Amino acid sequence: KAGVTQTPRYLIKTRGQQVTLSCSPISGHRSVSWYQQTPGQGLQFLFEYFSETQRNKGNFPGRFSGRQFSNSRSEMNVSTLELGDSALYLCASSIGTLNEQFFGPGTRLTVL
Amino acid sequence: TQLLEQSPQFLSIQEGENLTVYCNSSSVFSSLQWYRQEPGEGPVLLVTVVTGGEVKKLKRLTFQFGDARKDSSLHITAAQPGDTGLYLCAPGQGGSEKLVFGKGTKLTVNP
Repeated sequence: KAGVTQTPRYLIKTRGQQVTLSCSPISGHRSVSWYQQTPGQGLQFLFEYFSETQRNKGNFPGRFSGRQFSNSRSEMNVSTLELGDSALYLCASSIGTLNEQFFGPGTRLTVL
Repeated sequence: TQLLEQSPQFLSIQEGENLTVYCNSSSVFSSLQWYRQEPGEGPVLLVTVVTGGEVKKLKRLTFQFGDARKDSSLHITAAQPGDTGLYLCAPGQGGSEKLVFGKGTKLTVNP
C-alpha cells in the first residue's frame, strides 16, 4: 500500500505571497492532519480534516487554511507569507480510534 | 491540551552504549505513541502503548508505559548509528482529539 505523499517537496517563496501544499493520504484513511515543524517550536498541530470537514484546529492565525476533497486528498494554504512561516510542513493520515499518524515526507517551505 | 515533556532534549552517545529517554506529563493518557524522525523525513510510528505498566519490545528498543499512564520511557540497548534521529512521543487519543507532540529527544549515535 502506498504511503502518504506530499507535493512539492521543496518550495521557495517571498514575503507576502501565498502557497498551496498538497497531500495524498494512504488509501482508506479518511483523516488527514497537518503539522508545522520548526527547530524552535517542534512539531505543532495545524488542523485535521475528516470526511471533508475540519474536525480540529490548532493555534495558528487565519492565514493558514485547509480543505479536504471527497477522495480524502487534502490541501493547505498559507496566505500573506511571513519569514516565520519557513518550516517543514508535514501531513499525516490516520485510521482507527488510536489516531496513529502516518506521515508523509513533508514540504520544506522557505520564505525569503 | 495535554502537555508532554521529553528528556533529555539532546543525547550523544557512542555505538554500543545503552540509553533511556523519557516522556512525562501530569495528565493521564488513554494511550501513548512513540515516533522516530530521521533528518529530512517525516516521523515514523514505532509503537503505541495502551495499558498501564505495559512493556513492548521492538528488536533493541523497549517501550514502557507507566502504571498511572502519565509517563513512558524508551530504552535502547547497544545503540547503533542507525538509531540516530529525533524521538517523539504523543498521547494517543480518540479520533476526535488533536494530537500534541512533545518536543522530542534528538539522539546521535556515533560510530
